[in-house]
Amino acid sequence: DTAVSQTPKYLVTQMGNDKSIKCEQNLGHDTMYWYKQDSKKFLKIMFSYNNKELIINETVPNRFSPKSPDKAHLNLHINSLELGDSAVYFCASSQVEGGTEAFFGQGTRLTVV
Amino acid sequence: DQQVKQNSPSLSVQEGRISILNCDYTNSMFDYFLWYKKYPAEGPTFLISISSIKDKNEDGRFTVFLNKSAKHLSLHIVPSQPGDSAVYFCAASELYTDKLIFGTGTRLQVFP
Repeated sequence: DTAVSQTPKYLVTQMGNDKSIKCEQNLGHDTMYWYKQDSKKFLKIMFSYNNKELIINETVPNRFSPKSPDKAHLNLHINSLELGDSAVYFCASSQVEGGTEAFFGQGTRLTVV
Repeated sequence: DQQVKQNSPSLSVQEGRISILNCDYTNSMFDYFLWYKKYPAEGPTFLISISSIKDKNEDGRFTVFLNKSAKHLSLHIVPSQPGDSAVYFCAASELYTDKLIFGTGTRLQVFP
């Protein structure tokens, strides 16, 4: 049973479109995250969110917005997609902020054409 | 099914001694392995990597060992320092992809 699941796994879309990536965790964790993998090595945190606070990385364009309908979900909405948004996006969760274990989703490869 | 596993959620080591963090994987198609270090409220930062054609890679105090037959890799930190206290993630990717699969992390605490 997958702990953190993201959908879709692959997303190809045209510039200017609006798209969403969904993330669900069934671990009962309090904190969820979105990361952007720009290259093979580097991960950049975009957001962290628990049921009390949203922490936004200031370098993230406001075209990116997280939406949390409930504690188990943190979806990523992206408006007016640009070529530079092409990357792999990871969702993750942990029991508390900076907790001992973090569970990562499988990633969503977004390709903007 | 967890393809990359870090079975020890935490590790405590005295300053100056060796820290050994372990990682096991199940996917034989993985050909590139990475270790990341994460401080609270920050994203993981890249630490060291190893290709499947090697069995060892060293960078300063950090050495990663890969045992392909056992599908096991480990990160050695010698000597351990208090600033090394963080959560360490193992990650892997398959040939011709750059998509990472992460383990669940091991919290290392280095005490004086």
